Amino acid sequence: ETGVTQTPRHLVMGMTNKKSLKCEQHLGHNAMYWYKQSAKKPLELMFVYNFKEQTENNSVPSRFSPECPNSSHLFLHLHTLQPEDSALYLCASSRTGGRNTEAFFGQGTRLTVV
Amino acid sequence: DAKTTQPPSMDCAEGRAANLPCNHSTISGNEYVYWYRQIHSQGPQYIIHGLKNNETNEMASLIITEDRKSSTLILPHATLRDTAVYYCIVRVMIYNQGGKLIFGQGTELSVKP
Repeated sequence: ETGVTQTPRHLVMGMTNKKSLKCEQHLGHNAMYWYKQSAKKPLELMFVYNFKEQTENNSVPSRFSPECPNSSHLFLHLHTLQPEDSALYLCASSRTGGRNTEAFFGQGTRLTVV
Repeated sequence: DAKTTQPPSMDCAEGRAANLPCNHSTISGNEYVYWYRQIHSQGPQYIIHGLKNNETNEMASLIITEDRKSSTLILPHATLRDTAVYYCIVRVMIYNQGGKLIFGQGTELSVKP
C-alpha cells in the first residue's frame, strides 16, 4: 500500500465511449503524474501537475484529457480512444521540495479499448 | 535528464546477493540516482536514491562510484519475491517541480530457488 489509490483497477471500453480514471492520494504531496505503460514497453510520462497546475504534457493526443481539481485528486478523462491506447495507466504523486521527493505509484488501471 | 544503461536481464539464486549495475556516464553534478522496481503488472515501487555517498535502507544498498558514472544496487539476500524489473533513473531535483521520473527499459531480475 503506497497511499496512492487508483480506480477502477480494470476498464474495458468501446471506441465511442467516454470514461474517466481517478487517482487519489492523502500523502500531502503537491505533484501528481500520469504514466502510460504499453505491453513490453517502459513507462511513458504523459502529464505532470504541480500545485494543481499542469506543468508538462508530453505530446499526448487530445483524446486524453487530464484534470487536477486539487492536490489530492487527479483524473484522466478518456474519449474516442483507439485499440492501441490499451495499456496500464499509472498515477504517481510526490513532494515538490526538500530531500525526499521520490514518487509513489498507484497500482494502475488496466485499460482495454475494444 | 541523463540516460542510463542497464543489462536487460539477470538471474540470481535465492538467498544470495543480487548486484544490479547501472551506467550513467553523462550524469551531471546535480543529478541524483534513483532505483525503482516493478513487479509484474503492479505500480513501480521506490527502493532507494543517492547523490554521491553510498546509501542503505531496509530494502537495499546503493553503491555509487567516486566519479558517479556508474552505480550498483545490492539486494543482500534475494528472495523469490524480489523477482521484478529494476529501473535505474537519474534526475535533477528542481525545487517545486517534484519527482518526475523518466524510465528506461530496466533490468529484469529473476530470483531462482
